[in-house]
Amino acid sequence: DAKTTQPPSMDCAEGRAANLPCNHSTISGNEYVYWYRQIHSQGPQYIIHGLKNNETNEMASLIITEDRKSSTLILPHATLRDTAVYYCIVSVAGTASKLTFGTGTRLQVTL
Amino acid sequence: GAVVSQHPSRVICKSGTSVKIECRSLDFQATTMFWYRQFPKQSLMLMATSNEGSKATYEQGVEKDKFLINHASLTLSTLTVTSAHPEDSSFYICSGGRQGANQPQHFGDGTRLSIL
Repeated sequence: DAKTTQPPSMDCAEGRAANLPCNHSTISGNEYVYWYRQIHSQGPQYIIHGLKNNETNEMASLIITEDRKSSTLILPHATLRDTAVYYCIVSVAGTASKLTFGTGTRLQVTL
Repeated sequence: GAVVSQHPSRVICKSGTSVKIECRSLDFQATTMFWYRQFPKQSLMLMATSNEGSKATYEQGVEKDKFLINHASLTLSTLTVTSAHPEDSSFYICSGGRQGANQPQHFGDGTRLSIL
C-alpha cells in the first residue's frame, strides 16, 4: 500500500472549517483514499473515502487533487467533539484489504 | 454504517491467564476481519487477518501460538491471548466490513487489556 504523510497536529477554532491535508504521492491507480478518526480510547471511526472524484457525506468532504497525489479532508463546522486523531490511508478497495495506519494528525478544536 | 461489536471492553487479569476477546459483525457477514493492537501514544498495528473457515494470516513478528484467532462463523471472530504477560497489555481492536468492492471497513470500540 502507498504511504501517506500528514502533519502531526493542527488546531481549529470551534465553528470554523477544519482542513486536514494528506500527501500520497505514490498512490496506485486502483487505490482509494480513506479517512478515519480515533477519539481517545475508542476504535477508529470511518469518515469518508474516494477514488478520484470529490466526495461529501454528512460528516465531511473529501477533496482529491487531479493527479491524486494529495487530498484534503474538510470538516465544515468543527465542534469540540471533532477533537481526535485523523488518519489518511490509501488502500485497494474491498473489505479483505489491509489498512495500514500511519501516525495521523491530532486535531484539537478549541473554543 | 456497518456495526462491529467487541467484548469485553476492558479486562484486567493476572499474568499467566488466557484472555478471549470477541468481535462480532452485527448487521453484515464478514468473511474477513482484522485484528489490531495499539500501545499508548502509538498508532494501530495490524496483527493478523482473520479468515472465516480457515487459518488466520499473521503479520511479521506476531506469534501465532500466542495470539490464537478463530473465525468459525461469518459474524464472529475471536482473539485469545494465551498465557498473557504484562507486555501484552494493550488496546486490541478488530475491524470488518460488508461484502462489496466499495465498502469501507468498520472498527469495534476496542478492548483494553491490562495484565498485572
